[in-house]
Amino acid sequence: KAGVTQTPRYLIKTRGQQVTLSCSPISGHRSVSWYQQTPGQGLQFLFEYFSETQRNKGNFPGRFSGRQFSNSRSEMNVSTLELGDSALYLCASSLGQSSYEQYFGPGTRLTVT
Amino acid sequence: GEDVEQSLFLSVREGDSSVINCTYTDSSSTYLYWYKQEPGAGLQLLTYIFSNMDMKQDQRLTVLLNKKDKHLSLRIADTQTGDSAIYFCAESKGLMNNNAGNMLTFGGGTRLMVKP
Repeated sequence: KAGVTQTPRYLIKTRGQQVTLSCSPISGHRSVSWYQQTPGQGLQFLFEYFSETQRNKGNFPGRFSGRQFSNSRSEMNVSTLELGDSALYLCASSLGQSSYEQYFGPGTRLTVT
Repeated sequence: GEDVEQSLFLSVREGDSSVINCTYTDSSSTYLYWYKQEPGAGLQLLTYIFSNMDMKQDQRLTVLLNKKDKHLSLRIADTQTGDSAIYFCAESKGLMNNNAGNMLTFGGGTRLMVKP
């Protein structure tokens, strides 16, 4: 079974631009969560989607948004990029609503200049 | 509130055992996890333990949970240089609180260095 895939793996953007990151969960998994990892703040939860509905949202500004498609693939979007948005964005997939096993993708490294 | 804490750094010699510790504050945590992150990579799920257990063993890994003290540890037996990485402890409340979904709260990570 293929693991969680994230595209692109690396991205460089300029302040003020917007960016869209993509995550394809493990086949059969219906829940996708997104996390931001930075040296200063560590791993922070962004949001979780299950069956195309956002179930949970972390403490991030409205510039961060996401969605999930009927095939469980998910995208997250960051608008009006700031230097502080530079981070590794990780996506995790799990089977269902309350699954105890969550598997992470390799991440997308976003650099904002 | 929710808080998960870990020591920053651990150095061991190859062949020794490593013990990485974690404390958490939320007594409603249902699952506790250990993830491994190598440089430039995502998080690899190593093992997890349900809160009604006090020990779980999986090959070289042993997880101990002291629910009274809210203390979790990961012991790696016969540590190898390939075990050098950052180890994250995480907790979730999913099954107890369906509103929490699958959200994980992570500690800051412990960097394990294994010397040959």
